[in-house]
Amino acid sequence: DAEITQSPRHKITETGRQVTLACHQTWNHNNMFWYRQDLGHGLRLIHYSYGVQDTNKGEVSDGYSVSRSNTEDLPLTLESAASSQTSVYFCASSSGSGNTIYFGEGSWLTVV
Amino acid sequence: GESVGLHLPTLSVQEGDNSIINCAYSNSASDYFIWYKQESGKGPQFIIDIRSNMDKRQGQRVTVLLNKTVKHLSLQIAATQPGDSAVYFCAESTSGTYKYIFGTGTRLKVLA
Repeated sequence: DAEITQSPRHKITETGRQVTLACHQTWNHNNMFWYRQDLGHGLRLIHYSYGVQDTNKGEVSDGYSVSRSNTEDLPLTLESAASSQTSVYFCASSSGSGNTIYFGEGSWLTVV
Repeated sequence: GESVGLHLPTLSVQEGDNSIINCAYSNSASDYFIWYKQESGKGPQFIIDIRSNMDKRQGQRVTVLLNKTVKHLSLQIAATQPGDSAVYFCAESTSGTYKYIFGTGTRLKVLA
């Protein structure tokens, strides 16, 4: 079955370190997304991609970057981790606009 | 928006009863709607979707109703089971855009 896998599932890092969260999907979807989920907020969009070599900023993109070198993967990088980036991060994908968006199982990140 | 986690509205139902979870969406141009189930420590799981040219859609034990006049969406779960305990949230999208707007959800508790 097609799926989205995220790694690591849990990570603790120190302030100022660079962190990369991996996302791999086997749906062959063009659209991929990164969201964060926090108490007091719903899912908030960090970055998204419509296809290889395409990346776009979402509503909370400061301090994050993504790259899309192939269809399957959209890694999320925190350039210099901050305590405000402690959160649960979800990768998602969809086949096109106005279509179902499927989520990974999440990556729990703690910045100390 | 509403809070995630501790401050979520909660619906408590007896096992075997029907559950109705409501969602008010924000954008009158939205034409695609999705319900998700999120269990503790897991990613959002697709339940059912509906497009704006329909007002009702049924799945296995679930029914989604759409009232475009008042921008309201509901999820009905028949014969609620303990495994249905989770947070449920809706998402709206507009064809031709990447953007999905997510509600913060309702916690469903199934009482034995």
